[in-house]
Amino acid sequence: KAGVTQTPRYLIKTRGQQVTLSCSPISGHRSVSWYQQTPGQGLQFLFEYFSETQRNKGNFPGRFSGRQFSNSRSEMNVSTLELGDSALYLCASSFLLGTDLYNEQFFGPGTRLTVL
Amino acid sequence: EDQVTQSPEALRLQEGESSSLNCSYTVSGLRGLFWYRQDPGKGPEFLFTLYSAGEEKEKERLKATLTKKESFLHITAPKPEDSATYLCAVQSTGNQFYFGTGTSLTVIP
Repeated sequence: KAGVTQTPRYLIKTRGQQVTLSCSPISGHRSVSWYQQTPGQGLQFLFEYFSETQRNKGNFPGRFSGRQFSNSRSEMNVSTLELGDSALYLCASSFLLGTDLYNEQFFGPGTRLTVL
Repeated sequence: EDQVTQSPEALRLQEGESSSLNCSYTVSGLRGLFWYRQDPGKGPEFLFTLYSAGEEKEKERLKATLTKKESFLHITAPKPEDSATYLCAVQSTGNQFYFGTGTSLTVIP
């Protein structure tokens, strides 16, 4: 079974630009979550999508948005990039055991975003 | 405020020297507690899920336990390949996930 894939693996952008990151979950997983990982803050939850609907959202500004497609693939967009957005962006997919009860999240390798 | 705190931040062990990593949490209702291992340049790799106080799970040299306020990851007779950052996360009843900043483990041959 193929794992979670993320593209691109590395990105360099300049302040003010926007960026779109892509995540393909494990086949059969309908829940996709996005995280930002930085050395100082660790992993911080951005949002979670399930069946094309955003179900949960972390404490990030509206510049961070996402969507999920009918095949469960997900994209994350960051507009008006700031220097502080430089981070590893991780996507994780999950198969729900029951209502909102997760067994485990499988993470992709991440997209390393550098904002200059 | 919901939060997860891991200690120590870094741990150096001699090969074979057993120890424990701590994850303490305050969350408005716990749905699950998760342990992950992360190697440099890679995404976290799932290790365990614990759902209720008193629960224990084992995998090779690792054993995770859970109380009402904290979880421990016990490492028995570690080997150099156990060197990694170990992350703890909790899922709240509000379905938010909170991660600790991790414990960086180095096992010296």
